[in-house]
Amino acid sequence: GDSVTQMEGPVTLSEEAFLTINCTYTATGYPSLFWYVQYPGEGLQLLLKATKADDKGSNKGFEATYRKETTSFHLEKGSVQVSDSAVYFCALSFGNEKLTFGTGTRLTIIP
Amino acid sequence: EAGVAQSPRYKIIEKRQSVAFWCNPISGHATLYWYQQILGQGPKLLIQFQNNGVVDDSQLPKDRFSAERLKGVDSTLKIQPAKLEDSAVYLCASSRPGGRHEQYFGPGTRLTVT
Repeated sequence: GDSVTQMEGPVTLSEEAFLTINCTYTATGYPSLFWYVQYPGEGLQLLLKATKADDKGSNKGFEATYRKETTSFHLEKGSVQVSDSAVYFCALSFGNEKLTFGTGTRLTIIP
Repeated sequence: EAGVAQSPRYKIIEKRQSVAFWCNPISGHATLYWYQQILGQGPKLLIQFQNNGVVDDSQLPKDRFSAERLKGVDSTLKIQPAKLEDSAVYLCASSRPGGRHEQYFGPGTRLTVT
């Protein structure tokens, strides 16, 4: 079945550091890919998405590129802030079907 | 627009008791999802509704879990009887029908079974 594998956490970085959270997927066909974020005490929010190969999703300084050849969708940010501390989930879906999530990566940014 | 509403936010019950969770999706969103998020894991779909019809309930433990969506709007998820392993956050999400639309999530209900 479809699955998502993402970088084990937790990840701790200093403010203004460069962030990469790895995500790879296994699926039959070409799904849409997503990054969701869960801030402390809040629900899941969509951070960015890409619906086809070579698309780049971006939002709030975060970026991820849909790489069909490596089945990857790595999340990057050039300079993280304390407010980016959260749990990040990579996910895939086909059309309006269910989201299949990775296990999540907890990110903590130290001032 | 108002987001997805869920209640209660927290619930503590003893094993073998029953519990029900309520979800009100975003107005106009015909598709509604219930996910279970066990601590340290990503959310897993339990059931998906399109209006008041079930689209996917393949991961729903039907011997103890049930869900309904009367009139294609609000939805209720019930567990009876609860087991210790049902301790999790239950998330409701909704989306517009068709195509590749974003799923909007509610704040979740944290269930603890003792």
